[in-house]
Amino acid sequence: GQQLNQSPQSMFIQEGEDVSMNCTSSSIFNTWLWYKQDPGEGPVLLIALYKAGELTSNGRLTAQFGITRKDSFLNISASIPSDVGIYFCAGGGSQGNLIFGKGTKLSVKP
Amino acid sequence: DVKVTQSSRYLVKRTGEKVFLECVQDMDHENMFWYRQDPGLGLRLIYFSYDVKMKEKGDIPEGYSVSREKKERFSLILESASTNQTSMYLCASSQGMGGKNIQYFGAGTRLSVL
Repeated sequence: GQQLNQSPQSMFIQEGEDVSMNCTSSSIFNTWLWYKQDPGEGPVLLIALYKAGELTSNGRLTAQFGITRKDSFLNISASIPSDVGIYFCAGGGSQGNLIFGKGTKLSVKP
Repeated sequence: DVKVTQSSRYLVKRTGEKVFLECVQDMDHENMFWYRQDPGLGLRLIYFSYDVKMKEKGDIPEGYSVSREKKERFSLILESASTNQTSMYLCASSQGMGGKNIQYFGAGTRLSVL
């Protein structure tokens, strides 16, 4: 079945640093979504991307829908302690289901 | 705001018990989903439903069943709980076709089977 490779699996960074994570697939997707999950909570949508090449920002977060439709990246600028959590990418096809990456666990040292 | 409510945040059950996990959404969404989340394995789809009384198997349906008698409610049933079903369970909902795939999640139910 379809799979997403999300990397890195985990990151341990200093407050103020920029963060970059990405997802790649051998399959084409119509939608790329990025979610964040705080400890003990459900994932919350951060950014949704619908067109190849699209670049979208949400505050300090920027995400891009790869031109081949097989990849996406998420950048976080000037990280702060509340950025801690697990970040998931998800690719969506025409049927309504989402395929999720395994997540990037972000730890931020003050 | 979309609200997806899972009936319990924490549950402790014994092996062999029948377990019901309930999920309710308030946005009139057609689609509802049940996932389990385990460390290192990400989110794995158990079952989903595109309409009332409809259900489709996901990637790991074994040991689970579901019920969708009303549009807003989607229940996950563990017929005979086993220790390997100890996990975090997440419910999600989304609009139907044309809804741009966005799934909205509940806060999760952490189930421990002893």
